[in-house]
Amino acid sequence: ETGVTQSPTHLIKTRGQQVTLRCSSQSGHNTVSWYQQALGQGPQFIFQYYREEENGRGNFPPRFSGLQFPNYSSELNVNALELDDSALYLCASSAGLSNTEAFFGQGTRLTVV
Amino acid sequence: AQRVTQPEKLLSVFKGAPVELKCNYSYSGSPELFWYVQYSRQRLQLLLRHISRESIKGFTADLNKGETSFHLKKPFAQEEDSAMYYCALQQPGNQFYFGTGTSLTVIP
Repeated sequence: ETGVTQSPTHLIKTRGQQVTLRCSSQSGHNTVSWYQQALGQGPQFIFQYYREEENGRGNFPPRFSGLQFPNYSSELNVNALELDDSALYLCASSAGLSNTEAFFGQGTRLTVV
Repeated sequence: AQRVTQPEKLLSVFKGAPVELKCNYSYSGSPELFWYVQYSRQRLQLLLRHISRESIKGFTADLNKGETSFHLKKPFAQEEDSAMYYCALQQPGNQFYFGTGTSLTVIP
C-alpha cells in the first residue's frame, strides 16, 4: 500500500504566473483534500474532491482551482500568483466522506517571488 | 463559525514531567476533534481522535463540551514527544479546521 505522494517538493514561481501541484492519493482512497499552510500557521482547508467532483471549499478565491482524475489523483492549480501564496501546500486523502482518518502527503513548498 | 484555538505556540517541559497542550474550539454542531502531530522532517499524522477514546503513545485527550476544550495530556513526557502538535475540528465530509499548532520541546 503506497502513501500519499505530492510533486514537486519545492518550486519557485514569479508573481502573476500560474502553478500546478499534483497529488497521488493513497491506494483505495477516493477523497482528496488540499490545504495551504503558511509559515507559523496551521493548515487551512482549500477544497476537497470526492469521486472527481468538488465537495466543499474553504475561503479561497476562484483563482485556486482543482481537479480529480478517475484514478483519484488530484491537481491544485493557482492562477495569477501573489506573494502571499507562498506556503506549504498539503494534500490529504481518505476513504470516503465519513469519519475516517485523513493521510497527509509531505507537501509542496511554493515560493512566489 | 468554526474555530480552533491553541493558545500556546511554544511549550517546553522537562523529561518525565507532565505535559498538557491546550485546545479550545467553537462549533455550532456536534464536534469531532482530533490531534495531529508532525515530528521533525516527517509528514502530518494522526495522533488520536476523541471518538476512539484511545491512549496513543501515552497521550490522552478528553472532550469537554461545557468548556469547549480538547486538551492533550501525557503524565510523563519523553524526548521523542518533541514535535509540532495540531488540534483539528472535523467538519462533515472529512474536512478539517486546524489550530495554529503548539511546538513541544521536551528537555532531557
